[in-house]
Amino acid sequence: GAGVSQSPSNKVTEKGKDVELRCDPISGHTALYWYRQSLGQGLEFLIYFQGNSAPDKSGLPSDRFSAERTGGSVSTLTIQRTQQEDSAVYLCASSPRTVQETQYFGPGTRLLVL
Amino acid sequence: QKEVEQNSGPLSVPEGAIASLNCTYSDRGSQSFFWYRQYSGKSPELIMSIYSNGDKEDGRFTAQLNKASQYVSLLIRDSQPSDSATYLCAIYSGNTPLVFGKGTRLSVIA
Repeated sequence: GAGVSQSPSNKVTEKGKDVELRCDPISGHTALYWYRQSLGQGLEFLIYFQGNSAPDKSGLPSDRFSAERTGGSVSTLTIQRTQQEDSAVYLCASSPRTVQETQYFGPGTRLLVL
Repeated sequence: QKEVEQNSGPLSVPEGAIASLNCTYSDRGSQSFFWYRQYSGKSPELIMSIYSNGDKEDGRFTAQLNKASQYVSLLIRDSQPSDSATYLCAIYSGNTPLVFGKGTRLSVIA
């Protein structure tokens, strides 16, 4: 079946603008994760959704970052008033049920803030 | 603070040799351990998962877990140039998402 999809694949924006990144998980997967990966760095956890539970937002770096997941499927990560340090690859992953299971990653969105 | 440590490398091995990648972790309560491979410019993909002490083999890959010493390793036998990538160790410790190491860059020289 189809894997995790993300859009856009690349985004260039100006400092101060808002951006929205979209993630479409594997059908039937109830757990969804957002990570950020800066050049040459490891994966930085941002937020985790599990079913209808309240999301784990402990990784969001500032209140400029927010995410929602509608209908238990598609998720949108929003970055308000973007800064140059927000430039990174934003990766989305999903897993069938729990955080203990294998995560399947999407291709990522490469964000460049000028 | 749960930490996962990996040598950043690069680890260079000749084609056909065994590549040994190591990962140490701080949380003794860690339960599940994963190795992901990430090619340059691509997203991570799962190579191996291991949950109990000992070795787990899958083709040319062997994962080794030692909970007493808090390390997990990945051995790649008969290394190929196509194995050149960054290998990420990820650990689940209960009720929180996976904690990833920063990865070890492997270069297999033909």
